[in-house]
Amino acid sequence: GDSVTQMEGPVTLSEEAFLTINCTYTATGYPSLFWYVQYPGEGLQLLLKATKADDKGSNKGFEATYRKETTSFHLEKGSVQVSDSAVYFCAMYSGGGADGLTFGKGTHLIIQP
Amino acid sequence: DTGVSQDPRHKITKRGQNVTFRCDPISEHNRLYWYRQTLGQGPEFLTYFQNEAQLEKSRLLSDRFSAERPKGSFSTLEIQRTEQGDSAMYLCASSLLSLDRETQYFGPGTRLLVL
Repeated sequence: GDSVTQMEGPVTLSEEAFLTINCTYTATGYPSLFWYVQYPGEGLQLLLKATKADDKGSNKGFEATYRKETTSFHLEKGSVQVSDSAVYFCAMYSGGGADGLTFGKGTHLIIQP
Repeated sequence: DTGVSQDPRHKITKRGQNVTFRCDPISEHNRLYWYRQTLGQGPEFLTYFQNEAQLEKSRLLSDRFSAERPKGSFSTLEIQRTEQGDSAMYLCASSLLSLDRETQYFGPGTRLLVL
């Protein structure tokens, strides 16, 4: 069945470091892919998305490219800030009638000053 | 556009009691979704509505869970005879079918604790 796998956390980095959070998916069709971010005590905020192969989603300095050949959608940022500390969720929408998003387990990112 | 709102934000109840949560979607969004998120996990899809029609409910966790959207605007999620295992964050999301049905916007969630 459909599933999303993302790297386990927590991931701890120093401010201004380069960030990569890996995400791979398994789907029968060609899903749309998303990254959501969750700050403490809050709901999920859409960070970026890509709807077809080779699309690049970007927002607030974060980027992710939809790679069909490797079934991946890794999240990257060139220089992280303390304010980026949060939990990041990779998700996909594959339709098929249920129409819900399938999420990974989340990666807790901690940025130290 | 005020975003998706949920009420209450927190609920503490005793095992065996019934609880009801409310979700108000972004205005004019015709799709509304419910998810459950347990500690350390990603959200798990439960059910969704298109206008007032509940199009998917096989993912509801048990027959103790039910949801309604009577007028196609706000929705309620009810859990009857709560159990300690129901303790979780319950998230609501909405989307606009005609524009971009795949992109869902989430509310702040209702955190349920069953004692």
